Amino acid sequence: QLQLQESGPGLVKPSETLSLTCTVSGGSVRSSSYAWGWIRQPPGKGLEWIGNIFYSGSNYYNPSLKSRVTISVDTSENQFSLRLNSVTAADTAVYFCAGRNSGSGRTDHWGQGTLVTVSS
Amino acid sequence: QSALTQPASVSGSPGQSITISCTGTSSDVGGYNYVSWYQQHPGNAPKLMIYDVNNRPSGVPDRFSGSKSGNTASLTISGLQPEDEADYYCNSYTTSSTWVFGGGTKVTVL
Repeated sequence: QLQLQESGPGLVKPSETLSLTCTVSGGSVRSSSYAWGWIRQPPGKGLEWIGNIFYSGSNYYNPSLKSRVTISVDTSENQFSLRLNSVTAADTAVYFCAGRNSGSGRTDHWGQGTLVTVSS
Repeated sequence: QSALTQPASVSGSPGQSITISCTGTSSDVGGYNYVSWYQQHPGNAPKLMIYDVNNRPSGVPDRFSGSKSGNTASLTISGLQPEDEADYYCNSYTTSSTWVFGGGTKVTVL
């Protein structure tokens, strides 16, 4: 059973870079069966798709975040990561990592989510 | 990309049926059969309820069903149960090879 777990700092200062890691267990980030992605949810608000990456290296990002986002895969640690530059208070949110069946909209593997607060 | 449009809230009594709509454009909902629905209880991660318009993962009760007509997708809950009270989000693939969520619908069981 595929399991995902987010990790990273819970507090980031404005203008700095938010960095989160998602550790995958019960499966491999090298699998072509999945697209690995990040979704966020500001407190009390809805879900926002951030982007995803395939093991092949192809990645796709939300146009509204594209200039600040990088998603990468670390096969040696069986992890994938999110970097979001130049953060502001508007980036305060619960960040979820997720695995989607490639070639489908089926995203049934989610991490529990981690709250990241942007504040000085 | 603009969020898909969902009603802010829908309510029903136990045993009733409710339907949540999700309206997009021909560049997302109308253009692909990659619409999924997620249920989220407070403090929890979203849970997949329907994928690819009308497919139900194993373990999801068959009172949940999905459909699509034109640029609007729908989630129907037949025989509403108290545990169905939650937030529901639709999600669709887009022509830009990206994905977009709806704004979410709060379902209240009266």
